[in-house]
Amino acid sequence: AQKITQTQPGMFVQEKEAVTLDCTYDTSDQSYGLFWYKQPSSGEMIFLIYQGSYDEQNATEGRYSLNFQKARKSANLVISASQLGDSAMYFCAMREGAGNQFYFGTGTSLTVIP
Amino acid sequence: DVKVTQSSRYLVKRTGEKVFLECVQDMDHENMFWYRQDPGLGLRLIYFSYDVKMKEKGDIPEGYSVSREKKERFSLILESASTNQTSMYLCASSLQLAPYEQYFGPGTRLTVT
Repeated sequence: AQKITQTQPGMFVQEKEAVTLDCTYDTSDQSYGLFWYKQPSSGEMIFLIYQGSYDEQNATEGRYSLNFQKARKSANLVISASQLGDSAMYFCAMREGAGNQFYFGTGTSLTVIP
Repeated sequence: DVKVTQSSRYLVKRTGEKVFLECVQDMDHENMFWYRQDPGLGLRLIYFSYDVKMKEKGDIPEGYSVSREKKERFSLILESASTNQTSMYLCASSLQLAPYEQYFGPGTRLTVT
């Protein structure tokens, strides 16, 4: 079974609108971490936001927030007030327990339309 | 700022050649990783290292080996390159402390002809 599932290969959003990128995960561990990365066309992966499994509040970083629904095993990324520079691939990832390995989803390509 | 550098952005090699991809990080991170990224498949872990001279296989280690002689440097080796190893290769590093976020290099796009 896939550890991380991103079901939206591509998304479009109007500039200044909010957009939600979906991510579901599969783990039997109680302790885990969830991450979102952005990959612009230049290729470098940029760390955006982190949510720990024991964190009660949803993580926020500027215009990024993580909508963490533990019972549903979902960790959706919400980008508010989209900008043209937000056009990129977005990857959801998970680390289980204290392990070193990350599991990545297949990514969602976001295009912001002016 | 964490800096992870990779020796080449673009590389073209012939089938059967031995290929070295180098990665260097400057933040004294214990962990280093090599991934390959292919369209529709996301990132797949090839190998990772949690200390000098220590390594563990990831999900797709076949056809690859690694070397970590110094803490800051992690090399990926393709002993005999094949066309199915044409891909984007990403190096990453992280601390062994929560939240363990990984910092990535710019990637090497390798083409094997």
